[in-house]
Amino acid sequence: AQKITQTQPGMFVQEKEAVTLDCTYDTSDQSYGLFWYKQPSSGEMIFLIYQGSYDEQNATEGRYSLNFQKARKSANLVISASQLGDSAMYFCAMSPLVGNFVFGPGTRLSVLP
Amino acid sequence: DTAVSQTPKYLVTQMGNDKSIKCEQNLGHDTMYWYKQDSKKFLKIMFSYNNKELIINETVPNRFSPKSPDKAHLNLHINSLELGDSAVYFCASSQSGLAGRRLYNEQFFGPGTRLTVL
Repeated sequence: AQKITQTQPGMFVQEKEAVTLDCTYDTSDQSYGLFWYKQPSSGEMIFLIYQGSYDEQNATEGRYSLNFQKARKSANLVISASQLGDSAMYFCAMSPLVGNFVFGPGTRLSVLP
Repeated sequence: DTAVSQTPKYLVTQMGNDKSIKCEQNLGHDTMYWYKQDSKKFLKIMFSYNNKELIINETVPNRFSPKSPDKAHLNLHINSLELGDSAVYFCASSQSGLAGRRLYNEQFFGPGTRLTVL
């Protein structure tokens, strides 16, 4: 069964600095998709970035980038130039070829002014 | 222009009651889901429907039943509500890999329904 681990329950970062949120996953599949979502205090789930297991380049979306290391089964999210509005829960998720979309337990990021 | 909508946003009810949560998506997606998020923010998938057929049914109590009248709607019915059912329930939709722009497609979430059972 697939499993997502996010070892940082909470993180703090100074405004305008970069921060890395860790995500490791466990799967025996060769093909899968990896996702990051943001959940602000208002509660909605916002899709941030996607990485396919066969993508050779790391995904980037504006200030978000994904540090994908397939051999280590890690898909860390990097947020550059943090803003106060980045304070939220961040979830790593994986979609296997067949079966459930699995979410990690989340990391709460707090951006300090 | 809401992509995935849920009603109601808040639901407060007594133990033993039966309730429903409605979900609609206007994205033309072929797969819809229901998730439960507990007080610790853990997200657990409950059901998914693809083209009106249940394709994933997690080990949830049979008091929970999804009903999909068409591809754009997936409603959640809960019978005999219990205290432990209190949570936020999210509806989501996505395009399956066979029909989407890539093999794995992101899910779009509704705003959530906060259910409180007293």
